[in-house]
Amino acid sequence: GAVVSQHPSRVICKSGTSVKIECRSLDFQATTMFWYRQFPKQSLMLMATSNEGSKATYEQGVEKDKFLINHASLTLSTLTVTSAHPEDSSFYICSASRGPNQPQHFGDGTRLSIL
Amino acid sequence: KNEVEQSPQNLTAQEGEFITINCSYSVGISALHWLQQHPGGGIVSLFMLSSGKKKHGRLIATINIQEKHSSLHITASHPRDSAVYICAPSGAGSYQLTFGKGTKLSVIP
Repeated sequence: GAVVSQHPSRVICKSGTSVKIECRSLDFQATTMFWYRQFPKQSLMLMATSNEGSKATYEQGVEKDKFLINHASLTLSTLTVTSAHPEDSSFYICSASRGPNQPQHFGDGTRLSIL
Repeated sequence: KNEVEQSPQNLTAQEGEFITINCSYSVGISALHWLQQHPGGGIVSLFMLSSGKKKHGRLIATINIQEKHSSLHITASHPRDSAVYICAPSGAGSYQLTFGKGTKLSVIP
């Protein structure tokens, strides 16, 4: 149980394109979802925390107008990278949790390459 | 802010060897997660523990809350265990994880 599906797994697109990444909890309701970014050979870095039905909480230094997060249901959160540029190229991964002090279940990640 | 230190950073082992990865953190926590990240990037949650010891198959995780230290052990290691193992404590009543830099394990046949 506790499967999280993330789609797409890989995106290659031109600079200026907006890219939407979906994160779905398939067999449980996730009150909270997290979006992380990971650059090569570095640790996961939390970008934002997404609660169903409310605005996402962004970490310091993460532009909320550039990284739009929508958490419309207990099973789906989306991250949209607006007007992506080469410096946005990275590995983006989501996780979902049933609640505080509960395990986080991770998607398989999205590798984003902006040309 | 919780400072998380993992050791070793890199580990190469022969198939069958017993593996230990250590994690120390600086601030009191409610729980600690051990994660496994495969070369393709996907992450699997191995354990979440707040005290004592947990075992799943060949994997064992222990934690000493007083000493702010946790270990992950792999018995009878196998090449398919090759991955990056990440220690990630979470604060009291908090969802948020603080990630260690990971231990890259390579198990050679």
